[in-house]
Amino acid sequence: KAGVTQTPRYLIKTRGQQVTLSCSPISGHRSVSWYQQTPGQGLQFLFEYFSETQRNKGNFPGRFSGRQFSNSRSEMNVSTLELGDSALYLCASSLRQANTEAFFGQGTRLTVV
Amino acid sequence: SQKIEQNSEALNIQEGKTATLTCNYTNYSPAYLQWYRQDPGRGPVFLLLIRENEKEKRKERLKVTFDTTLKQSLFHITASQPADSATYLCALVSSYGNKLVFGAGTILRVKS
Repeated sequence: KAGVTQTPRYLIKTRGQQVTLSCSPISGHRSVSWYQQTPGQGLQFLFEYFSETQRNKGNFPGRFSGRQFSNSRSEMNVSTLELGDSALYLCASSLRQANTEAFFGQGTRLTVV
Repeated sequence: SQKIEQNSEALNIQEGKTATLTCNYTNYSPAYLQWYRQDPGRGPVFLLLIRENEKEKRKERLKVTFDTTLKQSLFHITASQPADSATYLCALVSSYGNKLVFGAGTILRVKS
């Protein structure tokens, strides 16, 4: 079956702009989590959605938001981009809960200039 | 505060040897622990999950141990190959919410 698909793979944005990233989980998976990965901080949990509801949130400012649709696809949005938002954004899907085996997508490499 | 610590320095070993990676944690009481592999520019790939009542788990050349008294997990790759070179991450469920928290990872380099 198809894996987790993230689009786009690469993105370059200017400071102050906003960006939307998309994630299609594995068919049948209802939990989608988002992570930010940077060389200095490693993998940092952003939030988790399950059945269209945000179930958990990490320690990120309100500029980072997300949502999940009825087909389990998820989007995350970052507004008022800052240089420090440059990172690899990873989406992971799980069958039921975020704490079980997670299947990651290839990620979206966001560069803010 | 909760911490997950993995060897910050890269581990360099010779092909054919056993690689052993360490994951230590504090202020967690995890029901289980997971190990992932990550290659540059790609998402992590799930390898193994071990539960608190399991001392050891094996999958092909991989072996994981879990000592809840020492608050430590060891990840072994036997008969290592250059293709095993990657970053290996351990992950625990945070007590603060039902979320998976990752260690910083250890880079493994296997030289032929």
